[in-house]
Parts: sequence; C-alpha cells; structure tokens
Amino acid sequence: RKEVEQDPGPFNVPEGATVAFNCTYSNSASQSFFWYRQDCRKEPKLLMSVYSSGNEDGRFTAQLNRASQYISLLIRDSKLSDSATYLCVVNTYGQNFVFGPGTRLSVLP
Amino acid sequence: DAGITQSPRYKITETGRQVTLMCHQTWSHSYMFWYRQDLGHGLRLIYYSAAADITDKGEVPDGYVVSRSKTENFPLTLESATRSQTSVYFCASSPWGTGGATDTQYFGPGTRLTVL
Repeated sequence: RKEVEQDPGPFNVPEGATVAFNCTYSNSASQSFFWYRQDCRKEPKLLMSVYSSGNEDGRFTAQLNRASQYISLLIRDSKLSDSATYLCVVNTYGQNFVFGPGTRLSVLP
Repeated sequence: DAGITQSPRYKITETGRQVTLMCHQTWSHSYMFWYRQDLGHGLRLIYYSAAADITDKGEVPDGYVVSRSKTENFPLTLESATRSQTSVYFCASSPWGTGGATDTQYFGPGTRLTVL
C-alpha cells in the first residue's frame, strides 16, 4: 500500500460547482498535513495546511480525520483558475514529507 | 525577493555524461530537498539536507550525489546519466523540516532534464 493515496481523478466540473478531494495516509504517526496545488509544468505551491479542527480559507475547506487517517479538501464555487493538480502531503516527525500522486481538476466554462 | 532558484531550467544530455543541477535559496532555510517528478509516480524524494554538511538519502538516491557546503546551495549531480533519469527535478527548502503544522516547503521552478 502506498503511504499517501488520493482520488485518481481527473475531476471535470462546471464553473460554480463544489468538488471534494480525498486523501488517505498509512502512517498513524503522521503529524502534519498539507494540500499543495500544482499548475501544469510548474512547481507545487502550498494551498493550505490541514489542522485537526479543520480549517477554511475562502472557498477552500480542509478536514482531517486522524482516526480514519483521512484528509479532505472541499472547493466551493469552482473557478476556471482552480484548474490544477492538487497534492496531498503528509509529514511525520523525524521523517520526510510524503507526497500523494495528485488529483487533477479541470473546471469547465 | 529571489526565493529559491534552479539552474539550468532545461537540460539535454547524453547517456553516461555527468550533469549537475543547481539550487540556490535566499531565505537561509535549514532544510533543502531534491525531488524528481515522473508521470505515474508523483514527487519522489532523492536526497535532503538538514543543514550545511549534513545530507541524507531519500526514497530514490541511486545514481545521484549531493553536497551542501553552504546553507544556500544544494547541488545535485548525476554522475553518469541514464535514460531513466529523464525527469523534472524540483528543489525545495523548508525552515524547520520537523513536520510542524506551519512547516511548509517552498519549491524552485524545476529543471527539465532529458537524457538521450
């Protein structure tokens, strides 16, 4: 089993739609969690950290369920500019950041 | 605000040649990382460094060598390039690297390497 797994995608959604991505991780000792965004042929950039209590940043909401070892990202009111690949990233103290394979999102006009 | 830069951005080389990819950061971050990204594999860690003169292997270190004599530089060398090393290489830096909730990685723009 891979250490970090994500919905395979791609997700093709119309503008204005709500879309949710899921991510699971295998190491129960993992401590910190992130969502990164990667545009085509560009470097990954931090979208948001994921906190145990859940957190929201504008149209983006991230949730963490430690018991199920599951992370989610919800995007509301999708914009064309949200089209990208979304990477789930997990870090364990004393180890390194592990990246999921990514889920590609295309927001269609 | 230069941040983190990589050079060259594009490189074509031949099998068996030595290639060095450069990475430079201006933030004095302690941690630096090298990843490769291939279709179907996502980002995979090659090597990382916790500080100057401290380096360690990641998931896929074979065929690569790193050094870190200065905090701001972290070059990656392919000693004898192979076709399987054709990939996009990303350098990243992080202030702490210990996995705190605010401990994020900042990536360079990447180097696209083709080995013929």
